[in-house]
Amino acid sequence: GQQVMQIPQYQHVQEGEDFTTYCNSSTTLSNIQWYKQRPGGHPVFLIQLVKSGEVKKQKRLTFQFGEAKKNSSLHITATQTTDVGTYFCARGRGSNYKLTFGKGTLLTVNP
Amino acid sequence: DTAVSQTPKYLVTQMGNDKSIKCEQNLGHDTMYWYKQDSKKFLKIMFSYNNKELIINETVPNRFSPKSPDKAHLNLHINSLELGDSAVYFCASSQEALQGGNGYTFGSGTRLTVV
Repeated sequence: GQQVMQIPQYQHVQEGEDFTTYCNSSTTLSNIQWYKQRPGGHPVFLIQLVKSGEVKKQKRLTFQFGEAKKNSSLHITATQTTDVGTYFCARGRGSNYKLTFGKGTLLTVNP
Repeated sequence: DTAVSQTPKYLVTQMGNDKSIKCEQNLGHDTMYWYKQDSKKFLKIMFSYNNKELIINETVPNRFSPKSPDKAHLNLHINSLELGDSAVYFCASSQEALQGGNGYTFGSGTRLTVV
């Protein structure tokens, strides 16, 4: 199918450590979106990547889109307890109206 | 002002009952969605409406019937509820889905428990 694979499924870190989650596709992605869902909450849009090799930063978060547009990553520097949650990547296809989500990476942070 | 609001937040009901979940967005978006999130947190699209027209129906049992009276509202009616329908249902909206890079705005979810 048109799924995106996310790894790892779970990641537990000590506060202050870095964290990275990866999103991979067997087919070229037209774009990739990232969302964060806090425990008990709803997904919140973080960013969209469109261009090959694109890198975007939001404070301690760095998002990358691979050169071949088949993978993406989200890196968090010096995690804080507020970073706890599930991070989802989602693939879109052109201007269609269907976003397909990966299975997410659950991040827990030990204070 | 909640951008995408869903009601009810929690719904506990018996098998075989019929129930509805309502969703409203005040963002002026053209497209609305229903997603189902199971116990393993997997988010799966169910339906998508653009300007009141159904554009995506993802192999959902016909016990599920969405209705969009106008582009600000998308309701979900479920007939003959089954145990496997227990999940969190999220409504979402977007403007020109993948242009502009603003992503989807999700409601806070409806936790449906069928007993």
